[in-house]
Amino acid sequence: DIQMTQSPASLSASLEEIVTITCQASQDIGNWLAWYQQKPGKSPQLLIHSATSLADGIPSRFSGSRSGTQYSLKISRLQVEDTGIYYCLQRYSNPYTFGAGTKLELK
Amino acid sequence: EVQLQQSGPEVGRPGSSVKISCKASGYTFTDYVMNWVKQSPGQGLEWIGWIDPEYGSTDYAEKFKKKATLTADTSSSTAYIQLSSLTSEDTATYFCAMKGFAYWGQGTLVTVSS
Repeated sequence: DIQMTQSPASLSASLEEIVTITCQASQDIGNWLAWYQQKPGKSPQLLIHSATSLADGIPSRFSGSRSGTQYSLKISRLQVEDTGIYYCLQRYSNPYTFGAGTKLELK
Repeated sequence: EVQLQQSGPEVGRPGSSVKISCKASGYTFTDYVMNWVKQSPGQGLEWIGWIDPEYGSTDYAEKFKKKATLTADTSSSTAYIQLSSLTSEDTATYFCAMKGFAYWGQGTLVTVSS
């Protein structure tokens, strides 16, 4: 199984701050990587697909990047509504695997 | 507008089975596989498997092969997941999701309790 090691597990940041979350894949997954935000009691919302493509309706302050098997989600200017838990997901091979999640809070 | 409407919360006795539905609308049901994802209380996300509604073909994570059965009814554009031999480990919220996990249902809470 492909392991997705996500870091940090939790993060506290200030408004307008730049935030970066990373996922390290245990093997090559190409661009089969997506990022999601989940709010309490809600289903996950797609932010980034294909490692770097912004999903429809998602603010441009969210961006994704890839360096080899390391993938990053960047929030350029943190807003109040960006709090929640963030997950990465690899769809390269069965079983699809999610990162353990990053809980993002406002400082 | 794509919508995935899941059935309501379920309570199952240990050893029994439950079946959850996910009714799709706003797109052609047979155009996309339907995935299912498990989220245990306060935990992360686990992929269970997918079903191709057009052909009925399925793919499961090894961990869920004996636990979950995925089916689909094209006449009603509804996907189903049946969970068998319930234990406390199956208490979780289950989501359906399609189009590369771009669209998700609202989730169905399954509680296993005697």
